[in-house]
Amino acid sequence: EVQLVESGGELVQPGGSLRLSCAASGFTFSTYNMGWVRRTPARGLEWVAYIKLDGSGKYYVDSVKGRFTISRDNAKNSLYLQMNSLRAEDTAVYHCVRLSGWGRFDAWGQGTLVTASS
Amino acid sequence: DIVMTQSPDSLAVSLGERATISCKSSQSLLYSSNNHNYLAWYQQKPGQPPKLLIYWASTRESGVPDRFSGSGSGTDFTLTINSLQAEDVAVYYCQQCYGLPYTFGQGTNLEIK
Repeated sequence: EVQLVESGGELVQPGGSLRLSCAASGFTFSTYNMGWVRRTPARGLEWVAYIKLDGSGKYYVDSVKGRFTISRDNAKNSLYLQMNSLRAEDTAVYHCVRLSGWGRFDAWGQGTLVTASS
Repeated sequence: DIVMTQSPDSLAVSLGERATISCKSSQSLLYSSNNHNYLAWYQQKPGQPPKLLIYWASTRESGVPDRFSGSGSGTDFTLTINSLQAEDVAVYYCQQCYGLPYTFGQGTNLEIK
């Protein structure tokens, strides 16, 4: 069974940093592109970033470029999102996702809540 | 960026009836080299993460009941749920996977009438 389990979300002050982690199991992690999608009640779903299966390419939505960094460790079957200079508008549930084919998300983790607030 | 617009925002349908959700994109999602539309549909039930239902506009993901169907091409797409069941109560999203940034529709909240 494919499983994606996120961790690392918490309350942080605006301007602060967080590192999210995603532990993957049930599939060959190193053969899939992986990514992050965030969800808010007001804005719905928003794709944040994705990384190619070997880490050779990293892509971001404009609103997080220069602040967020996606990375992976294929030896540990893990995906990460380093989030710096957090803003109130980054408050969301962050889902780890597996990409299949061309850009569709065929597996989702339950999500981890990030709250940027003073 | 490609803008995805769903309608309606919310929908109430009686059990056993048909539900229809529309999704329009601001540019064509048809990739001419393989004739695939890069449009996916997701279902999000309360307390659960989204689940992929349909990709390439009309191909059901493995395990998805055949009462769910997708249609359309270019910029206009439809998700149809035939014979609505109680477990189909959810928010439904369309997503374009044609180009970066990947973008979603705002979601349609489906309820039982």
